[in-house]
Amino acid sequence: SAVISQKPSRDICQRGTSLTIQCQVDSQVTMMFWYRQQPGQSLTLIATANQGSEATYESGFVIDKFPISRPNLTFSTLTVSNMSPEDSSIYLCSVGRDGNSGNTIYFGEGSWLTVV
Amino acid sequence: GQQLNQSPQSMFIQEGEDVSMNCTSSSIFNTWLWYKQDPGEGPVLLIALYKAGELTSNGRLTAQFGITRKDSFLNISASIPSDVGIYFCAGLNYGGSQGNLIFGKGTKLSVKP
Repeated sequence: SAVISQKPSRDICQRGTSLTIQCQVDSQVTMMFWYRQQPGQSLTLIATANQGSEATYESGFVIDKFPISRPNLTFSTLTVSNMSPEDSSIYLCSVGRDGNSGNTIYFGEGSWLTVV
Repeated sequence: GQQLNQSPQSMFIQEGEDVSMNCTSSSIFNTWLWYKQDPGEGPVLLIALYKAGELTSNGRLTAQFGITRKDSFLNISASIPSDVGIYFCAGLNYGGSQGNLIFGKGTKLSVKP
């Protein structure tokens, strides 16, 4: 498994502001991702955080709104820019691990953002 | 795109009962993962399945990877109150965006009043 720490765990944000979420993993990982979970919904992949290069965004998500950094193999940040109430969600950092049988994806505890 | 149909959406459990939920997909996956999520927390991995037909247990939980690679089920035996929460199935394919888990919409387990 993996120990994935996210900060902040919760925050209340003002409309129009930006917030950066940090994700720290207890060991080096190749694959690191950011997901969003809107209230009462399932999880949706925002982007793959690539070490040393620009993140790969999924359809419907853009770099200007969700800039991502990944300076090394244990750390990544996601910024939610110019927030609106629709951005109120849990944002989850996840990592991929190669096991003997195959890949497994683990999640952090999430950062619960409420935009007012 | 790929979609997962997870059922039931919700169910009530009485302590000691067995519980079953399943997911079906319109296309195949290489890996099926089952997660449990408690309110305000991230999903916790319960079981990972990598081979078609594979049957895996984790305590009172048992899950199987369907032979067609398009479905999976999760069974919980002798349920206890701490089993309440939301259970998600997720399918994963290698290559491309390797972290793009396709999630089901979840099965919410609640205690029967």
